[in-house]
Amino acid sequence: QTVVTQEPSFSVSPGGTVTLTCGWSSGSVSTSHYPSWYQQTPGQAPRTLIYSTNTRSSGVPDRFTGSILGNKAALTITGAQADDESDYYCVLYMGSAIWVFGGGTKLTVL
Amino acid sequence: QVQLVQSGAEVKKPGASVKVSCKASGYSFTSYGISWVRQAPGQGLEWMGWISAYKGNTNYAQKLQGRVTMITDTSTSTAYMELRSLRSDDTAVYYCARVLDTFDIWGQGTMVTVSS
Repeated sequence: QTVVTQEPSFSVSPGGTVTLTCGWSSGSVSTSHYPSWYQQTPGQAPRTLIYSTNTRSSGVPDRFTGSILGNKAALTITGAQADDESDYYCVLYMGSAIWVFGGGTKLTVL
Repeated sequence: QVQLVQSGAEVKKPGASVKVSCKASGYSFTSYGISWVRQAPGQGLEWMGWISAYKGNTNYAQKLQGRVTMITDTSTSTAYMELRSLRSDDTAVYYCARVLDTFDIWGQGTMVTVSS
């Protein structure tokens, strides 16, 4: 069974930088997994931040950057703001029209 | 504008079926796929499956095989997801999402509650 791993929680100070990661139980994450990142606040639908590893969705500020770091996909938030406090999910494309979500990271800004 | 509008909340008894709709507007419906994603209370996102709005071919998450069916109606630009033999752990918010190489547009979500 394919497992996509994310840090359960992370904390960042206002104005600080944080990098969330997205790993794969079967090996290294690559651009072929088209890693995407989503932000979700309670009671709301997910909002697309990053797709295809490093492409920002329309309207997403450039404080959000996607990349591959080592063997994982990464989402870096620079200059963290209070309203960045959310749950963040990554998803990997496994081929054959199959996707797998990570368990999500709860980001606290304090 | 591009949007997906889902049907309203449902309450079902264990063993029943539920059918959720997702009406697309503002784009060429058959140029994209639709995926369904669910989120149990306090839990993460779970991919349920995908359907090509153009050809109608599907792929379902292994754990839901045999209980879920996804279809599209191109005449009304609407996607449907039916889940059968409902159990209490199917209680969740169900989302549809437009898919090309990512889930870029999301519906507002439909709460499905399974309770006796």
